[in-house]
Amino acid sequence: GESVGLHLPTLSVQEGDNSIINCAYSNSASDYFIWYKQESGKGPQFIIDIRSNMDKRQGQRVTVLLNKTVKHLSLQIAATQPGDSAVYFCAENRSNDYKLSFGAGTTVTVRA
Amino acid sequence: NAGVTQTPKFRILKIGQSMTLQCTQDMNHNYMYWYRQDPGMGLKLIYYSVGAGITDKGEVPNGYNVSRSTTEDFPLRLELAAPSQTSVYFCASSELDTQYFGPGTRLTVL
Repeated sequence: GESVGLHLPTLSVQEGDNSIINCAYSNSASDYFIWYKQESGKGPQFIIDIRSNMDKRQGQRVTVLLNKTVKHLSLQIAATQPGDSAVYFCAENRSNDYKLSFGAGTTVTVRA
Repeated sequence: NAGVTQTPKFRILKIGQSMTLQCTQDMNHNYMYWYRQDPGMGLKLIYYSVGAGITDKGEVPNGYNVSRSTTEDFPLRLELAAPSQTSVYFCASSELDTQYFGPGTRLTVL
């Protein structure tokens, strides 16, 4: 089975609220994690990444948190906007050879 | 920079036909990848390359072939199309960990 997966397949968020998207991984040796956003009909777009020597990393309106104790990764989106509606994937590098393993994705829908 | 480009955008094949999906990147990345994405699923790695002349199998290589004669190009070949190969195909490239994706090719095999 998948070692990288998301807790919920769908998430509905009110515009302006914060979104939290969760992801679990099982390989404690993974040292790199990345979040992608995929809009309908498009390829995955890089959002933010984090290495295993960090707990938190912030970008523009996005924050990734890594909890190595429980093997959990989350993506927080501040002040969610309609343009944030998309499928969000987490991925991990398990083998230190630049190959990524992807979870199934969470579909985020922003309500006006 | 155009980034990663893929052609064609859409294609319908009959069972048993063959085709080549094209992928080109202009970022001078050493690493290139081919994924397939089935409806409602994540991406599965088909083949990857760590540099010109070097390719290796991913999770789901059966029914596909690749070549890497230049840094820029990484074509994916389907020799005998089967309905199970109906999917969206994405090419990606990277210098290190962060992979950048093309817009995808939507392939239907009937």
